[in-house]
Amino acid sequence: GEDVEQSLFLSVREGDSSVINCTYTDSSSTYLYWYKQEPGAGLQLLTYIFSNMDMKQDQRLTVLLNKKDKHLSLRIADTQTGDSAIYFCAEKAGAGSYQLTFGKGTKLSVIP
Amino acid sequence: DAGVTQSPTHLIKTRGQHVTLRCSPISGHKSVSWYQQVLGQGPQFIFQYYEKEERGRGNFPDRFSARQFPNYSSELNVNALLLGDSALYLCASSLGPTNTGELFFGEGSRLTVL
Repeated sequence: GEDVEQSLFLSVREGDSSVINCTYTDSSSTYLYWYKQEPGAGLQLLTYIFSNMDMKQDQRLTVLLNKKDKHLSLRIADTQTGDSAIYFCAEKAGAGSYQLTFGKGTKLSVIP
Repeated sequence: DAGVTQSPTHLIKTRGQHVTLRCSPISGHKSVSWYQQVLGQGPQFIFQYYEKEERGRGNFPDRFSARQFPNYSSELNVNALLLGDSALYLCASSLGPTNTGELFFGEGSRLTVL
């Protein structure tokens, strides 16, 4: 079955880089996503990557995908206190599926 | 432009009662999905509707039902509420059958069952 795993907590100092990791099991995954959730709020789509890509960069965000190992990472450069939130990795199966499978989320704490 | 709007934002029910949650998608979006997020967990897929038809259903009991209206808004209904139904219910909209599958989420309806 489908499963997405993430480490639960990450703490970094302001100005450092953060790297949040995710592994998934569904080899038919077509797209993988990173969402951000701030306390009491819904989910905000940060970025996504197609499964035939290995890297995508968007301003301070860099997504790396190792399809062979089914490993996805999100790097946030120059982490700010406003980046403190829960980050969810999610995968979408093949064409025709709209169901996203989410991990449990990684809580990022940024120390001033 | 308005994003995805959900109502109510918070509600409290007792076991055995029924609840209806409402969602209005982003203008122009024809697909609505519902997710349940229990405290400390990631969202779990409940339903997906496109053009008023159910296109996907997650592993939830028949007490959960939904529908989509001609204006693409949607309702999620839960009957015979259990304590374990306490969660944040998230609605997400998308354009439709696009391969990228980007979902845009509302702020959610937080349901507490006592």
